[in-house]
Amino acid sequence: QITLKESGPTLVKPTQTLTLTCTFSGFSLSTNGVGVGWIRQPPGKALEGLAFIYWDDDKRYRPSLKSRLTITKDTSKNQVVLTMTNMDPVDTGTYYCAQYSYGYLLWGQGTLVTVSS
Amino acid sequence: DIQMTQSPSTLSASVGDRVTITCRASQSISAWLAWYQQKPGKAPKLLIYQASSLQSGVPSRFSGSGSGTEFTLTISSLQPDDFATYYCQQSGSYSITFGQGTRLEIK
Repeated sequence: QITLKESGPTLVKPTQTLTLTCTFSGFSLSTNGVGVGWIRQPPGKALEGLAFIYWDDDKRYRPSLKSRLTITKDTSKNQVVLTMTNMDPVDTGTYYCAQYSYGYLLWGQGTLVTVSS
Repeated sequence: DIQMTQSPSTLSASVGDRVTITCRASQSISAWLAWYQQKPGKAPKLLIYQASSLQSGVPSRFSGSGSGTEFTLTISSLQPDDFATYYCQQSGSYSITFGQGTRLEIK
């Protein structure tokens, strides 16, 4: 059974850096074709893919946010970490991690991050 | 990045209706298209992958079709549990983007 769980702060101040950790089980990020990524959803709005990292360490970022995002993996710990710099209130939303395999995503439960002073 | 355009943005329908949601890609994505259902406060749930493959456990009233740049999700006979928001997602060249969503509401 594949499970993913997001962890990190629920409240960050403007200009701070957000660090989120995705801890997963039931699959290996060393397996060919597999990836893990982050998707966010502002309140009442659509899903936005942020960053993905793949089994071969290929990384893909949302172009408009590329300068603020870094994604890394620790295969031995089954974890993927996303950092997002210079947080702003418009970055408030639910952040999901998800497994990528054969073109589709299997999702964690999500974590709500609020950016406010 | 490949842009995904979903239509309609909102769809009003009744229990028992057949409904279709369309998703168009800005360039060809072959069959790298998935559909998700999302209910308020919940993570998206995978319905269809590779354009037309039904995820295990998903009712057979859901079906997907298309390839290249145009795709559809069809619900053959709406059930009360189906009123939710639906998203398409493409993964051409491992670059993942979503449509803007279709809210399916009760007429």
